[in-house]
Amino acid sequence: QSALSQPASVSGSPGQSITISCTGGSSNFGTYDLVSWYQHHPGSAPKILIREVRKRPSGISPRFSGSRSANAAFLTISGLQTDDEADYYCCSYEGQNIYVFGSGTKVNVL
Amino acid sequence: QPQLVQSGGEVKKPGASVKVSCKASGYVFNKFGISWIRQAPGQGLEWMAWISVYTGNTSYAQKFQGRVTLARDESTTSVYMELKNLTSDDTAVYYCARDVNWFDSWGQGTLVTVSS
Repeated sequence: QSALSQPASVSGSPGQSITISCTGGSSNFGTYDLVSWYQHHPGSAPKILIREVRKRPSGISPRFSGSRSANAAFLTISGLQTDDEADYYCCSYEGQNIYVFGSGTKVNVL
Repeated sequence: QPQLVQSGGEVKKPGASVKVSCKASGYVFNKFGISWIRQAPGQGLEWMAWISVYTGNTSYAQKFQGRVTLARDESTTSVYMELKNLTSDDTAVYYCARDVNWFDSWGQGTLVTVSS
């Protein structure tokens, strides 16, 4: 159960779009469409942004979108805002009620 | 609206155990599992363990097998996480989260500090 790989940091200017990748072996993404994404501001609890690869929970801005390729998942933030500056984590269901998180990506809004 | 409220911070000595509670409200308690996730200082989120509130069945990350135990109490709508044989590497914020194959509601976090 090793962590999924994410870039350590991604930067963008207000209004721009950025994409965060989340890569792992086929055992992570091949069987289940259960990749989720979380936003974490230090000092607060993480907040879910995306579930089941691409679905947004109620109340989540459409500026956040998820997608997937063969062995990777992606989170795209459109129209970057200063409040988007936070840490972002992917998470994959591995079966048998076991999960693995990505290594985390710090988003910097320049 | 589901809500999870965790117990307060703890300071423990190396080798000791810690028990953190997570009280659920705002939903039917035994319809969903609870996972525990931690974040050590300067590190990322790390999934630790899961419990089915309905059956009491558990799953644990390999790293924590034998050291972590989850339990639930339906009478108080609470889930408990006990971590044994603590080391300084266990210093972290511990979160409980409602598990619906993703984590849609989180507790506020409990800081556990392990220090001699």
